[in-house]
Amino acid sequence: DAGVIQSPRHEVTEMGQEVTLRCKPISGHNSLFWYRQTMMRGLELLIYFNNNVPIDDSGMPEDRFSAKMPNASFSTLKIQPSEPRDSAVYFCASLIPLAGGADTQYFGPGTRLTVL
Amino acid sequence: GEDVEQSLFLSVREGDSSVINCTYTDSSSTYLYWYKQEPGAGLQLLTYIFSNMDMKQDQRLTVLLNKKDKHLSLRIADTQTGDSAIYFCVRTGGGNKLTFGTGTQLKVEL
Repeated sequence: DAGVIQSPRHEVTEMGQEVTLRCKPISGHNSLFWYRQTMMRGLELLIYFNNNVPIDDSGMPEDRFSAKMPNASFSTLKIQPSEPRDSAVYFCASLIPLAGGADTQYFGPGTRLTVL
Repeated sequence: GEDVEQSLFLSVREGDSSVINCTYTDSSSTYLYWYKQEPGAGLQLLTYIFSNMDMKQDQRLTVLLNKKDKHLSLRIADTQTGDSAIYFCVRTGGGNKLTFGTGTQLKVEL
């Protein structure tokens, strides 16, 4: 398995533009998480899905952010319109089981977003 | 991450042991984890410990858990330059969520 795949790896856009970040989770695992990482705020959970259904979106900053998971193989995080303060690294993660009943989150490489 | 606290920086010499400490406020977590983030990469699971254990050893890594004091530590023996990274203390939150600490940047000097 190729792990969690995110695209693009880097995105530079201008304020006001729409940005779409993509994630292909690890196949066969039912939970997917979107995070944002900045120096100021650290790692923040934005939203997570279970069986393609959004379970907790309390971390989504505002209405400009939306996320979808139309099927088990694909998820998007969209920002419309984007603002400079959205500049961050966005991670997607799959939940996978470990021995002994624990779970772990397997992270993708991230998308570095810069909004000018 | 405000209920999982870590110091921000740690600097050690190559070959020395590193000890990264973490305190947390919520004692209901079933598992506690250490994740590692190398520059420009995502977070990867390093090791984890069940909450009813006191210690777990995995090669150069030793995790100590003091439930009474709500204190978790990660010791890296014979620290190498490749260990330079940010280390996150993480606890299980509600549901499938994880609560991440602020991260400790480990710098290994020659």
